[in-house]
Amino acid sequence: EAGVAQSPRYKIIEKRQSVAFWCNPISGHATLYWYQQILGQGPKLLIQFQNNGVVDDSQLPKDRFSAERLKGVDSTLKIQPAKLEDSAVYLCASSLGAANNSPLHFGNGTRLTVT
Amino acid sequence: SQQGEEDPQALSIQEGENATMNCSYKTSINNLQWYRQNSGRGLVHLILIRSNEREKHSGRLRVTLDTSKKSSSLLITASRAADTASYFCATVTNNRLAFGKGNQVVVIP
Repeated sequence: EAGVAQSPRYKIIEKRQSVAFWCNPISGHATLYWYQQILGQGPKLLIQFQNNGVVDDSQLPKDRFSAERLKGVDSTLKIQPAKLEDSAVYLCASSLGAANNSPLHFGNGTRLTVT
Repeated sequence: SQQGEEDPQALSIQEGENATMNCSYKTSINNLQWYRQNSGRGLVHLILIRSNEREKHSGRLRVTLDTSKKSSSLLITASRAADTASYFCATVTNNRLAFGKGNQVVVIP
């Protein structure tokens, strides 16, 4: 099966600019996750979708971050405006069902550098 | 949200040796998962162990779970250079998955 696809692979922007990341999960996977991974740390959940509904966005900085999953398939994550501390790898993952029963499948991530 | 904490943080071993990593957590869980991450790549799922299980094997991997001590261990036997990676434990509670800080493992050929 095709894996989780993410684009772009790398992005460099200046602070206060906006940026968007795209994710195409594995076909048939109901749950989609966006994680932020700062260098040397474990991934931190930003938002979790079940189909096209939000399950958990408690750690999403909603003043600057937004995400959507239209039609319950692809998803985009946007940052506007970006700050220096947003420099990180943004990982998208999907799972067949809920995390209680299904392992996550990750894409290779988008490495964002904010200058 | 709850997070696992791995110990030790960095491990360097010779090829053929065993590598053991530990993970501790603070609250009750539904399951605990271990993932591997190679440099510049996404995470790859290794093993899922449920809260009512004590031990699980997959190839050269052995995971234990002690819910009374709120800890888990990952053992890689007969390590290979290709096992060089970061290893993360992740706790799952009420369908929320939270990762620990990770262990960097270097296997020297």
